[in-house]
Amino acid sequence: GDSVTQMEGPVTLSEEAFLTINCTYTATGYPSLFWYVQYPGEGLQLLLKATKADDKGSNKGFEATYRKETTSFHLEKGSVQVSDSAVYFCALRHLGAQKLVFGQGTRLTINP
Amino acid sequence: DAGVTQSPTHLIKTRGQHVTLRCSPISGHKSVSWYQQVLGQGPQFIFQYYEKEERGRGNFPDRFSARQFPNYSSELNVNALLLGDSALYLCASSLGAGGRAGANVLTFGAGSRLTVL
Repeated sequence: GDSVTQMEGPVTLSEEAFLTINCTYTATGYPSLFWYVQYPGEGLQLLLKATKADDKGSNKGFEATYRKETTSFHLEKGSVQVSDSAVYFCALRHLGAQKLVFGQGTRLTINP
Repeated sequence: DAGVTQSPTHLIKTRGQHVTLRCSPISGHKSVSWYQQVLGQGPQFIFQYYEKEERGRGNFPDRFSARQFPNYSSELNVNALLLGDSALYLCASSLGAGGRAGANVLTFGAGSRLTVL
């Protein structure tokens, strides 16, 4: 079945550092890919998405590129802020389906 | 505009009891999905409802059931609670159900945190 694997956390960085959170997936066909963020005490918020190979999703300085050849969707940000501290989830969804398949999440802490 | 609202926000039950969780979708959204998020893990799909009909079910036992009302709100019911049912239960709504790639993005509520003792 479909699955999503994220890099193990927690990840701790200093403010203004470069961020990469790795995400790879296993799925038949070409699913849409998503990054969600969960701040403490809140639900999931969609951060960005990509619907086909080589698409780049971007939002709030975060970027991720859909790489079919490596089945990856790594999340990057050039300069993180304390306010980026949260748990980040990579997810996939097939065309015509509503079910999201999530990775286990990566907790990110940014120190001032 | 109100987002997805869930109630209660926190609750504590004992093993064997029953629980009902409620969800109100964003106005105009006709699809509601339920996810279970165990501490330290990613959310797992439980159900999806669209226009009051079940459109998808995850790998959960029959103790879990749900329904959607004419106003598109939804309830998730769990019978005979087990310790392992302790989790954050997330509701998400969208305009439609599935559809073309990238459409009908889910908007999540803050969740109902269930503790089973």
